[in-house]
Amino acid sequence: SQKIEQNSEALNIQEGKTATLTCNYTNYSPAYLQWYRQDPGRGPVFLLLIRENEKEKRKERLKVTFDTTLKQSLFHITASQPADSATYLCALDMMYSGGGADGLTFGKGTHLIIQP
Amino acid sequence: DGGITQSPKYLFRKEGQNVTLSCEQNLNHDAMYWYRQDPGQGLRLIYYSQIVNDFQKGDIAEGYSVSREKKESFPLTVTSAQKNPTAFYLCASRIPLGGPQHFGDGTRLSIL
Repeated sequence: SQKIEQNSEALNIQEGKTATLTCNYTNYSPAYLQWYRQDPGRGPVFLLLIRENEKEKRKERLKVTFDTTLKQSLFHITASQPADSATYLCALDMMYSGGGADGLTFGKGTHLIIQP
Repeated sequence: DGGITQSPKYLFRKEGQNVTLSCEQNLNHDAMYWYRQDPGQGLRLIYYSQIVNDFQKGDIAEGYSVSREKKESFPLTVTSAQKNPTAFYLCASRIPLGGPQHFGDGTRLSIL
């Protein structure tokens, strides 16, 4: 069966350190993988998108890697700050066309806590 | 500012009642989506629409209905057939087939 797995427990990181979040998937062949941030009571906010033929993407303090052989994406926040505390969701985008299914398939998210 | 507006923020449903959640976007996106989020769960796709006057069922469409009469609007009706409607409902939009999704701030539906 198809599965997307993210760290199920909260991740506690000391301020200033690098936070690394994991997204593993099975029985999918995504064209894109996306990462979102969600704060309590709010909708997810898009952070980064990486294509299947890309190994790494960076944006300011954020870095995403995508290994289609391992079926894994890693999401890094360097020089972490308490304001980075939130739930981070990974999402697979199958990019079907010609009348196939659309929409992202989301993991359950990892709750990240940055402690001062 | 461009974005997605969901209303109301909180909604209560009585037994046997249908309720409608509003979703409006001014991003000029063709594709719109409805997701349901339960505590500790990922987002699950209810319905999506890639173009006006057309929509498709997602993974958990039973007990829900939608319409797409205008590009800007994609309302979701939670019918009385949905026996467990208590959840956080999120609307999103994007250009079709790829690219990031833009989300509204959700509607929290509870049972009276």
